[in-house]
This record gives sequence, structure tokens and C-alpha cells, in this order.
Amino acid sequence: DTAVSQTPKYLVTQMGNDKSIKCEQNLGHDTMYWYKQDSKKFLKIMFSYNNKELIINETVPNRFSPKSPDKAHLNLHINSLELGDSAVYFCASSQRQGPRYFGPGTRLTVT
Amino acid sequence: EDQVTQSPEALRLQEGESSSLNCSYTVSGLRGLFWYRQDPGKGPEFLFTLYSAGEEKEKERLKATLTKKESFLHITAPKPEDSATYLCAVPPQGGSEKLVFGKGTKLTVNP
Repeated sequence: DTAVSQTPKYLVTQMGNDKSIKCEQNLGHDTMYWYKQDSKKFLKIMFSYNNKELIINETVPNRFSPKSPDKAHLNLHINSLELGDSAVYFCASSQRQGPRYFGPGTRLTVT
Repeated sequence: EDQVTQSPEALRLQEGESSSLNCSYTVSGLRGLFWYRQDPGKGPEFLFTLYSAGEEKEKERLKATLTKKESFLHITAPKPEDSATYLCAVPPQGGSEKLVFGKGTKLTVNP
């Protein structure tokens, strides 16, 4: 069984569109994260939720809005997409300090 | 200011040729140093967490060690399947839940 799953795996869209990425974990973990990995492979945290409560909100444009309907799901909605949003977005979960299980990633390409 | 620096950026080894990767950090009062492995097109895979100087952890051909300023990931008699990018990460100054990642070392093991 997949521990952390994300959909879609690939997302190609035009500038100005709104899109969502979904994440689900079946590990029973309390904490979930969104990370962004840019073209230089640099991994940076965007958000973290603990039991549906936002605990980390990095300096991310407010076009990005995370939502956690329950502790097994953490979705990422992006409004008015820009070229610079192109990256791979990873969801992760953990029951301890730091992300322990990462999803397969969603490669977002904005044209 | 970079808090985590990894070297070398890339390392090419022959199968069986042991070596070490370095991760140096500048945060004081370290609250853990994390190592991950990332294969192309996949999410990072958690390997180890080290908390105190002198601590060592092993997994198969990998051994991670920690001093007060840096961590080493020793790879003994590597195999081609050890080829991957190895990332280290630390909680930043004053924070424990989020991690600051280094840029990684891309390891290639030739048969």
C-alpha cells in the first residue's frame, strides 16, 4: 500500500489558471507537509499541518492556499499560476520531528 | 545565510570504492541532523536522524556520523544501486519542526 500518495503526478497548465494538488497518507501520522523542489533540486518547506492545524507557513505567496479536511489529507490550491511556480511539489508526513515519508511528487509546469 | 552546506556537489565512484559525503551546518543548539536519499523522479527517502556529537547510525552500506560542526555519510563498498542524491537537513535556529535542506550530493556508482 502506498504510504503517501499525490495526485496528479504531472500537471501542465497555462499562466493565470487555478489548480489543485491532492495528498493523502495512510500512516496515521499527525503532521503533514508541502515542500517545493525547484529546478536546481533545492527543497524548501512551504506549509506544515498538525492534526488539521497550520503550524508552519513559510514566506509563500498568498496565491498558495493549503487545506487539511482531516489529518490524512492535505491539499494545495494555487491561484493565478505564474511561470515561477513551475517546480516539483512534494507532500510528506511524519509522526516525529521532521518529514519521514514523502510522496512521489507532482511536477507542475506553467506555460 | 546558508545553514547547511553539502560537499562535494557530485561524486563518481567505482563499485566497491568507499568514500564519504560531508554535511556542515552553522546552527547552534542542534536539534537533529537528518539524512535522506532521493532517486531521480521520486520523493526523498528518510535514512537517519542524528542528535548528538559522537552518535553514529548504520544502514546496510551507509554509516552516518555527527560532530559539533558537521556530519559524514560514509559509504562502504558501494554498489550501483546506491547511486542517488543524498540530502542532509537541520532544523533552523530557533525552530524544530521545519527543516532546512542542503543542496545535496549526487552520487554515481559505476559498475
